[in-house]
Amino acid sequence: DTEVTQTPKHLVMGMTNKKSLKCEQHMGHRAMYWYKQKAKKPPELMFVYSYEKLSINESVPSRFSPECPNSSLLNLHLHALQPEDSALYLCASSYRDTDNSPLHFGNGTRLTVT
Amino acid sequence: AQSVTQLDSQVPVFEEAPVELRCNYSSSVSVYLFWYVQYPNQGLQLLLKYLSGSTLVKGINGFEAEFNKSQTSFHLRKPSVHISDTAEYFCAVSDLSYGGSQGNLIFGKGTKLSVKP
Repeated sequence: DTEVTQTPKHLVMGMTNKKSLKCEQHMGHRAMYWYKQKAKKPPELMFVYSYEKLSINESVPSRFSPECPNSSLLNLHLHALQPEDSALYLCASSYRDTDNSPLHFGNGTRLTVT
Repeated sequence: AQSVTQLDSQVPVFEEAPVELRCNYSSSVSVYLFWYVQYPNQGLQLLLKYLSGSTLVKGINGFEAEFNKSQTSFHLRKPSVHISDTAEYFCAVSDLSYGGSQGNLIFGKGTKLSVKP
């Protein structure tokens, strides 16, 4: 069982829909991350939040909008996605983003854009 | 700039045989090295990490890795694999020098380990 919980596990959405992915952790971690993983590829970093502030945005298109309401929650709001955005979206957390603590990953949301 | 090379995209092996998954890195500064495992339909899980100290690092599930600075390698080994070890394995490197962030973690392309009965 993972200590980082992601919902939903699967999501199918049309290109005109608006949806949100949710991530929750209660380990007291102050850094949270969104990754995108295509099939047979390593995870690609999208965003990093440190102490609830966005610290890294890896030039992600604006149709992806992250939000960190508090230290335990991380959302990813989706709007007007393209079929090529279909992927596994992974949330991760760590104690801090500037120390050696390992990343704890959730099991991901499998997103299909039709 | 850092980079990570996993030399084998797929490694098939029979149950109870030994296995080595290879990882080489390049970096101009001191690095921290990690191995993560991803089981089907799951996220990544840390197997082991090298930060400093002993170059032989032991991890979970009987895996170990050896940091070799002269060869810039961090190969993962297990003396006897099980069917349940079938998964994707990612080597990763980060530079946590001043101002660095774990968001700068660089993953290799992954090695698919398939354990056959």
